[in-house]
Amino acid sequence: GAVVSQHPSRVICKSGTSVKIECRSLDFQATTMFWYRQFPKQSLMLMATSNEGSKATYEQGVEKDKFLINHASLTLSTLTVTSAHPEDSSFYICSARVVGSGELFFGEGSRLTVL
Amino acid sequence: SQKIEQNSEALNIQEGKTATLTCNYTNYSPAYLQWYRQDPGRGPVFLLLIRENEKEKRKERLKVTFDTTLKQSLFHITASQPADSATYLCALLTSGTYKYIFGTGTRLKVLA
Repeated sequence: GAVVSQHPSRVICKSGTSVKIECRSLDFQATTMFWYRQFPKQSLMLMATSNEGSKATYEQGVEKDKFLINHASLTLSTLTVTSAHPEDSSFYICSARVVGSGELFFGEGSRLTVL
Repeated sequence: SQKIEQNSEALNIQEGKTATLTCNYTNYSPAYLQWYRQDPGRGPVFLLLIRENEKEKRKERLKVTFDTTLKQSLFHITASQPADSATYLCALLTSGTYKYIFGTGTRLKVLA
């Protein structure tokens, strides 16, 4: 199956700093990637749909200025949590779909802890 | 309002038995319904996909059914093993907006 790599897997930062998470499709091109957020023992909440070469589409209630998404190439999307606060601490997961397939391939996730 | 619900937050079964997980949805018109497995601290892994015009799909010990009238999918693991213990998530690919929306998940524990 297709491989999606997400980095870093864990990050701890101080309140007020910005953190960038990278999501790469390693063996396929992903015109669309999805960013999810997951709280402990809860399901995945879709934050935004990232489209290569265009602006991301954010879900209702997700601050686009807080969670900056860039999808500059067919294999890389980045999520930047700006001016992070403790309430931003969560598990962030990216995913991508192979064109023509309904399957979603997920990265390993990034655990963000904001002190 | 739109909802995807998996009716059991947690399910314990004995090794060798069949585990049956349920996914119900309201106010969606899914093009696909999918099931994923998620282990703690990891990203979900795709298991099976079933289209709106399909009734049943099988893959090794896994079986998925899809009833668009009842707006329900059942996910079965036969001859369950302790290694099957994980959280299982159902997901809809919505027609039109093409978003993947996930259910609440069921934590399955297979007891040896």
